[in-house]
Amino acid sequence: DTGVSQDPRHKITKRGQNVTFRCDPISEHNRLYWYRQTLGQGPEFLTYFQNEAQLEKSRLLSDRFSAERPKGSFSTLEIQRTEQGDSAMYLCASSIWTGTPNQPQHFGDGTRLSIL
Amino acid sequence: QKEVEQNSGPLSVPEGAIASLNCTYSDRGSQSFFWYRQYSGKSPELIMFIYSNGDKEDGRFTAQLNKASQYVSLLIRDSQPSDSATYLCAVTGTASKLTFGTGTRLQVTL
Repeated sequence: DTGVSQDPRHKITKRGQNVTFRCDPISEHNRLYWYRQTLGQGPEFLTYFQNEAQLEKSRLLSDRFSAERPKGSFSTLEIQRTEQGDSAMYLCASSIWTGTPNQPQHFGDGTRLSIL
Repeated sequence: QKEVEQNSGPLSVPEGAIASLNCTYSDRGSQSFFWYRQYSGKSPELIMFIYSNGDKEDGRFTAQLNKASQYVSLLIRDSQPSDSATYLCAVTGTASKLTFGTGTRLQVTL
């Protein structure tokens, strides 16, 4: 069990640029989640996948955000035309889906995005 | 009303004491309850999870759930300075996504 892996750990970019983050879940986990966390707040749900299917997207997720999990393994989160308000820690988590109740989600180390 | 509410703290307890962290939630359909520990600048780390009313113990940690009162708590016995962190309460309902509180900052003093 190598844990959830995220890359890069830090990303600094200028406003208006596009950025892409990668997440590799725990190998046997079929569910993968993306969250965003700003200072002093709890993580906020963005979207999640079961295998390669994207099952839910937050209404807070603007059209500039897109996520994929093409082969049901790793996932990417892309932010187009970044804005100052996108500065946050982007967290990926994974879990096993076995039906209810929901199994615990395990988080990666996160990608910290800073918009200049 | 926030969906998951926690006192932001800081909660200060002396070393060796019991720390009691509390969380209330608004959705009566919530089914699964989780406590995560988060050190400054780090990602959340799972501490405990509980599904049924009552207590669940794991080492120095005890999670308590009261669905009628929509209340979940985390007790940390024999608190250590290394327990100083922010503790996040999170719930899920029929949907799989976690809904987090803003966290309670715990300080364990020497």
